[in-house]
Amino acid sequence: DGGITQSPKYLFRKEGQNVTLSCEQNLNHDAMYWYRQDPGQGLRLIYYSQIVNDFQKGDIAEGYSVSREKKESFPLTVTSAQKNPTAFYLCASRGGRERGREGYTFGSGTRLTVV
Amino acid sequence: DAKTTQPPSMDCAEGRAANLPCNHSTISGNEYVYWYRQIHSQGPQYIIHGLKNNETNEMASLIITEDRKSSTLILPHATLRDTAVYYCIVRVATGGAGGTSYGKLTFGQGTILTVHP
Repeated sequence: DGGITQSPKYLFRKEGQNVTLSCEQNLNHDAMYWYRQDPGQGLRLIYYSQIVNDFQKGDIAEGYSVSREKKESFPLTVTSAQKNPTAFYLCASRGGRERGREGYTFGSGTRLTVV
Repeated sequence: DAKTTQPPSMDCAEGRAANLPCNHSTISGNEYVYWYRQIHSQGPQYIIHGLKNNETNEMASLIITEDRKSSTLILPHATLRDTAVYYCIVRVATGGAGGTSYGKLTFGQGTILTVHP
């Protein structure tokens, strides 16, 4: 079955370290997104990519970086410049209309904790 | 994208209908109403969306008022597994990855629905 795979599910990072979160999709979707969610809060957009080799900053891009070398993959790197990286990170993709729905699909998330 | 207002929490008895309201008084003519839900520690799940007509699918029904300033998501027979945070979002729909919108979803704090036995 097609879907989005995020790995790892749980990740622990020491302060000052960079860490990369994986997001892979086999839905043949062009657009991919990274969101951050803090406890009791909605989702905030970090970065998005509408097509391979192109990506744009979202609302809270500082301290994060991404790449989109392949259509299937959109990894997110949390750098040491991100002052409060502990959060739940969600990856999503979007294709065209599918049987009347919008076509958004979310991964199951990665919970990052700085220790 | 238009701002939405939802109650922070609601309760519902198992087997009864759950009616979740959403106000979107500044919605534009080309903006759709979308509903997603998020079960604890999982990614959001699409439920339903609509423009101005009422919609129904296997998960839920969506009732949009005639002036489109508010809507109600109806889960006809709530189960314990429907306990989740429900998000109402309004935005312009796109037919693909292009168009005038890059597809951002603006999530508010949503409604925490608790279904109890």
